[in-house]
Amino acid sequence: GNSVTQMEGPVTLSEEAFLTINCTYTATGYPSLFWYVQYPGEGLQLLLKATKADDKGSNKGFEATYRKETTSFHLEKGSVQVSDSAVYFCALSDRDTGRRALTFGSGTRLQVQP
Amino acid sequence: NAGVMQNPRHLVRRRGQEARLRCSPMKGHSHVYWYRQLPEEGLKFMVYLQKENIIDESGMPKERFSAEFPKEGPSILRIQQVVRGDSAAYFCASSPPGGSSTDTQYFGPGTRLTVL
Repeated sequence: GNSVTQMEGPVTLSEEAFLTINCTYTATGYPSLFWYVQYPGEGLQLLLKATKADDKGSNKGFEATYRKETTSFHLEKGSVQVSDSAVYFCALSDRDTGRRALTFGSGTRLQVQP
Repeated sequence: NAGVMQNPRHLVRRRGQEARLRCSPMKGHSHVYWYRQLPEEGLKFMVYLQKENIIDESGMPKERFSAEFPKEGPSILRIQQVVRGDSAAYFCASSPPGGSSTDTQYFGPGTRLTVL
């Protein structure tokens, strides 16, 4: 079956530091990949997505590249802000079967200190 | 344009009672998904519905849980005879008609269910 593995948190960084959150996946087919962000007490918001190999998703200074050869979709940001403190979820959907269900990783909590 | 609406935001039930969670999709969206998030865990898919049809219920527990998305009105996730293990955040998401598994799902704020 499909699965997503994320690095465990919390990740604690100082403001303006470089961020990497690792995400690797296992999929029976050729998935689409997503990063969602959850701020405290809120629902999930789509941060970025990529639907085929070598695609780069980007939004709000965050980037992730779909690497089929390493089955990875690592999230990066060059300079984090306190407002980026949240929980980040990597997810996939199975495009081959057409199933709409998203498979999520367990989430990585990011804490950015001033 | 209002986003996905869920109510109530917080729900407290005693063991054995019923819980009803409501979800109104974004305007123009006809696909609804329910996910459950246990404390400190990721979201787990429960069910995917279109108007008047359950498309995929592979993540639904076999007993006590049911979902519907009627022709008129919100989608309802119903949990009968709740137990403490049902305490979780339940999120609803929606997506536009047609489309595919590459479509973005838009999430609501969630209902936090506490079973005493």
